[in-house]
Amino acid sequence: DTAVSQTPKYLVTQMGNDKSIKCEQNLGHDTMYWYKQDSKKFLKIMFSYNNKELIINETVPNRFSPKSPDKAHLNLHINSLELGDSAVYFCASSPPSWGLPSTDTQYFGPGTRLTVL
Amino acid sequence: DQQVKQNSPSLSVQEGRISILNCDYTNSMFDYFLWYKKYPAEGPTFLISISSIKDKNEDGRFTVFLNKSAKHLSLHIVPSQPGDSAVYFCAASSSGGGSNYKLTFGKGTLLTVNP
Repeated sequence: DTAVSQTPKYLVTQMGNDKSIKCEQNLGHDTMYWYKQDSKKFLKIMFSYNNKELIINETVPNRFSPKSPDKAHLNLHINSLELGDSAVYFCASSPPSWGLPSTDTQYFGPGTRLTVL
Repeated sequence: DQQVKQNSPSLSVQEGRISILNCDYTNSMFDYFLWYKKYPAEGPTFLISISSIKDKNEDGRFTVFLNKSAKHLSLHIVPSQPGDSAVYFCAASSSGGGSNYKLTFGKGTLLTVNP
């Protein structure tokens, strides 16, 4: 019974194409995230949504557009793919913290390996 | 700007011995620290965390130590088991109000436990 799932697991595409990665969590969490792990292995946050509202938007090209149709889903759409977009993209979710100091544990999906040729 | 640093890309340990993974941070606003474990082709899995009001947190074979003055934390695994072989990520966040906390990750340390 998967907690955070992503599809597809692997995605190979040509430069210039538009692609989407889907994420779903069945944990009842309010907050979802997208992270990128690049070739240097750094895991960096890209976006965070809380109850379908964008909360964190790091310096990410506007070719990347997250969409949250409901609080259980956070999809990532990428326009005009570039070689540098090749990476592993991880979705994560965390429970509400009700404004208290952070004890958030983020739960990660298995990742989507995107290869742009 | 690397705010969370794991300076050892890899560590090899004999089964049954202690594994010590180190992490340094530069941002004094960080007040919550986590360790994640990652197997190949899987997402990171939460392992253990520590708040800045503590200097030690223990969970079974895993203990995290925090030295705030040195901005240093370490994860001890005793005894190490072959199944512990994975990449370990150190992560940090700052509460600063609000309900959504950004995790800043280190680059990870690959731990290999040899039978």
